[in-house]
Amino acid sequence: AQSVTQLGSHVSVSEGALVLLRCNYSSSVPPYLFWYVQYPNQGLQLLLKYTSAATLVKGINGFEAEFKKSETSFHLTKPSAHMSDAAEYFCAVTSAAGNKLTFGGGTRVLVKP
Amino acid sequence: ETGVTQTPRHLVMGMTNKKSLKCEQHLGHNAMYWYKQSAKKPLELMFVYSLEERVENNSVPSRFSPECPNSSHLFLHLHTLQPEDSALYLCASSPGLAFTNEQFFGPGTRLTVL
Repeated sequence: AQSVTQLGSHVSVSEGALVLLRCNYSSSVPPYLFWYVQYPNQGLQLLLKYTSAATLVKGINGFEAEFKKSETSFHLTKPSAHMSDAAEYFCAVTSAAGNKLTFGGGTRVLVKP
Repeated sequence: ETGVTQTPRHLVMGMTNKKSLKCEQHLGHNAMYWYKQSAKKPLELMFVYSLEERVENNSVPSRFSPECPNSSHLFLHLHTLQPEDSALYLCASSPGLAFTNEQFFGPGTRLTVL
C-alpha cells in the first residue's frame, strides 16, 4: 500500500528565506508525485507534478521539487518566501496505473514579515 | 462561473436534519470526486464517479449518499449525521478517471454537525 509522510505539520519561515517542505513516500512501483497548495478558504490547487520525465520539476509561483528515488523523497522548495506563500501544502502519490491517490497529512506554512 | 464551484460554502445542521451539498464543474471533465478533509487527518477520498457512474466507494457510511445526474454535477446527500462528520467537504474533477491526472478542486463546504 502507498503511504506519504510529510515531516512537520507546521513550518514557520521568514519572508525572503528558503522554504523547504519534506515529503517521503512508499511505493512499490514508479510513482507519480504531486504537490498541491491550499490557500485559506479555498480548495487544493496543483503546484507541480512529477511524471518521470525529469527529476527536477518546476511549478507555479517559483516552487520546485526534486525526485530522489534512492531516498524515496520529493521535497518542495522555494528560494525566497513571500507572504502570499502562507498556505497548507500537500504531497500526494499515485502509481502509474493511477488507480489510487494517497495524500500526506499536509504542512501548514506561516511566513513571518 | 469557471472551474469547480460548491454550494453552500458553510452549513450547520442538526443530527436529524437532511441536507445536500452541490458541486458543479465547468471544465468538461469526465470524472468527479468527493473528499473529506478533517483537522489533523489526511484527505480522505469518499466517492469517485466516471461518466456519471460510481466507480469507487471507500467504505463510507450510508448516511452519506452521492448522486451524479450528469458529468457536470455531483451531489452529496446527508442525513442523520454525527458530530464527527463535521469537516470540510471538497469536490474535485479531472479530465479522465486515472489518478495520474491533475485534479481540480472546488473551495469546499464547511459542515458543522451539532
